[in-house]
Amino acid sequence: DAGVIQSPRHEVTEMGQEVTLRCKPISGHNSLFWYRQTMMRGLELLIYFNNNVPIDDSGMPEDRFSAKMPNASFSTLKIQPSEPRDSAVYFCASSLRTVIEAFFGQGTRLTVV
Amino acid sequence: AQTVTQSQPEMSVQEAETVTLSCTYDTSENNYYLFWYKQPPSRQMILVIRQEAYKQQNATENRFSVNFQKAAKSFSLKISDSQLGDTAMYFCAFMASSTNAGKSTFGDGTTLTVKP
Repeated sequence: DAGVIQSPRHEVTEMGQEVTLRCKPISGHNSLFWYRQTMMRGLELLIYFNNNVPIDDSGMPEDRFSAKMPNASFSTLKIQPSEPRDSAVYFCASSLRTVIEAFFGQGTRLTVV
Repeated sequence: AQTVTQSQPEMSVQEAETVTLSCTYDTSENNYYLFWYKQPPSRQMILVIRQEAYKQQNATENRFSVNFQKAAKSFSLKISDSQLGDTAMYFCAFMASSTNAGKSTFGDGTTLTVKP
């Protein structure tokens, strides 16, 4: 298996622009997580899905952030409009109940200038 | 809510020596899992080792082992025969069995440098 695949690996955008981050979970995994990593706040869970349904989005910082999972093999995290304080590394992870731990993608480093 | 504390922001060790990274956690759950993840400069988060709380035996994976003290809520990672490739940030993570698989709470991390 190729593991969790995220794209792009790096994204530089201007403040106010829309940014879309993409994730393909491991085939067969039924849970998907979006995390954000910053120096100040460490690794934070933004939202997670179970069987394509959002279960807990309490970590989403504000309405500018939205996430979707239209099918079992694809998810997006969108920021509109983006702000410099959104600069961070965004990780997608997937898991399966019988496997327990989450498997992470390589992350997308977002820089908003 | 669970909290995970890693009290050592940075550590260093000489190659071939042994180092121990500390982690404590707070929870009211009785059934849970604990993990150590490694994040090298490549940024990839890699699972190093996993411990089930109901198991008394400490988990071991090659040069990596844990000291799990359930009563003290302590979960330290010991790296033996440190190698240059062990240089990375290490995260301790907690997951309650009652929650969705994979939904973990992470500590702030310990940056480990292995010196030649």
